[in-house]
Amino acid sequence: DAKTTQPPSMDCAEGRAANLPCNHSTISGNEYVYWYRQIHSQGPQYIIHGLKNNETNEMASLIITEDRKSSTLILPHATLRDTAVYYCIVRTHTGANSKLTFGKGITLSVRP
Amino acid sequence: DAGITQSPRHKVTETGTPVTLRCHQTENHRYMYWYRQDPGHGLRLIHYSYGVKDTDKGEVSDGYSVSRSKTEDFLLTLESATSSQTSVYFCAAQREGNYGYTFGSGTRLTVV
Repeated sequence: DAKTTQPPSMDCAEGRAANLPCNHSTISGNEYVYWYRQIHSQGPQYIIHGLKNNETNEMASLIITEDRKSSTLILPHATLRDTAVYYCIVRTHTGANSKLTFGKGITLSVRP
Repeated sequence: DAGITQSPRHKVTETGTPVTLRCHQTENHRYMYWYRQDPGHGLRLIHYSYGVKDTDKGEVSDGYSVSRSKTEDFLLTLESATSSQTSVYFCAAQREGNYGYTFGSGTRLTVV
């Protein structure tokens, strides 16, 4: 699976949009971009995933560049409860050997 | 939500003793995974299963074994616990298809 690069940390003000970047320049055509987050001491939580089109759900939006070499997770109105480590992962379609490999992620701190 | 339940939530055990951690899911998901999380290493895959009696090794499988005799249960066994296996263990499940994982709340294991 392709590797991803994320800045180690960022912060944003409560109520503002949080834009979390991810680079995946070696992504291949059949790899999806997944985002998870982990709030302190809890299990990781799935947020969203996409292949090449932008995606939106009740938690966030995922913007993937046309060349698919980078993406941005957008939390439209960050709250203090969004403070967490966010993981960007690329992964082939599910199958017997398709697994999630977690990197270090980006620590998002939402300030009051 | 796959309704992942991990047991026990906390355990302290002595070096050299066998330990079994249990992961139970209620949604009949095909794929199940065991990860461990340590400071400085992030989440690392120990073993995974792609069906009843079908399991395979992850990146840090030494010292661990797994069993899956029923769809809903995935057991992780430390045959002879060592202090290096002190960690937080997370189980995850995923249904067939291109979906995200659902993680349990974790088991904090301390080997003294």
